[in-house]
Amino acid sequence: QQQVKQSPQSLIVQKGGISIINCAYENTAFDYFPWYQQFPGKGPALLIAIRPDVSEKKEGRFTISFNKSAKQFSLHIMDSQPGDSATYFCAASLDTASKLTFGTGTRLQVTL
Amino acid sequence: GAVVSQHPSRVICKSGTSVKIECRSLDFQATTMFWYRQFPKQSLMLMATSNEGSKATYEQGVEKDKFLINHASLTLSTLTVTSAHPEDSSFYICSARIGRGGLNSPLHFGNGTRLTVT
Repeated sequence: QQQVKQSPQSLIVQKGGISIINCAYENTAFDYFPWYQQFPGKGPALLIAIRPDVSEKKEGRFTISFNKSAKQFSLHIMDSQPGDSATYFCAASLDTASKLTFGTGTRLQVTL
Repeated sequence: GAVVSQHPSRVICKSGTSVKIECRSLDFQATTMFWYRQFPKQSLMLMATSNEGSKATYEQGVEKDKFLINHASLTLSTLTVTSAHPEDSSFYICSARIGRGGLNSPLHFGNGTRLTVT
């Protein structure tokens, strides 16, 4: 019940396209859903986060869509750029101060 | 700039020796720090929660006698891999939170330590 399932495992998108990564969770007690970006050899960096009381949050080119009834949330990267090529992790926790459970990761490659 | 500093970034040690990894919160006090382990091309697995002034809380399956965690001050937590073996080779990452929660106090990660045990 603590798992967070993430798909796809890898994704190739052309420059300017939209990258979409999906996550699903089981534990309805999860109350905080962040997305992290990780470059090789570096620690993850927070991109954007959402709580279940809203269905969408946008920050620049990054948007989280949240579907509480389906227990799913997704990350959309608009106008994808080569510099966005990285591994993306969704995560969930019981509240914003609790430990995070990470998804399995998506390796995004943005081609020219 | 970085808010969580981790040292060393890379370490190679011989089998049977111990290795200490430091995690420091920069310009803020962290009563709680988290230690994660990441194998190549895999997700982050939480190893333990480090609490300042008290014993760490280990996740199921993590050997507390092998992975010693000390959180002696509000800005420093250390992870010591004791009697390291090749299977302990991994990427270890610490994290800390500014503040006590809320969307405005996210979890910040260090840049990780690549441990190779030969």
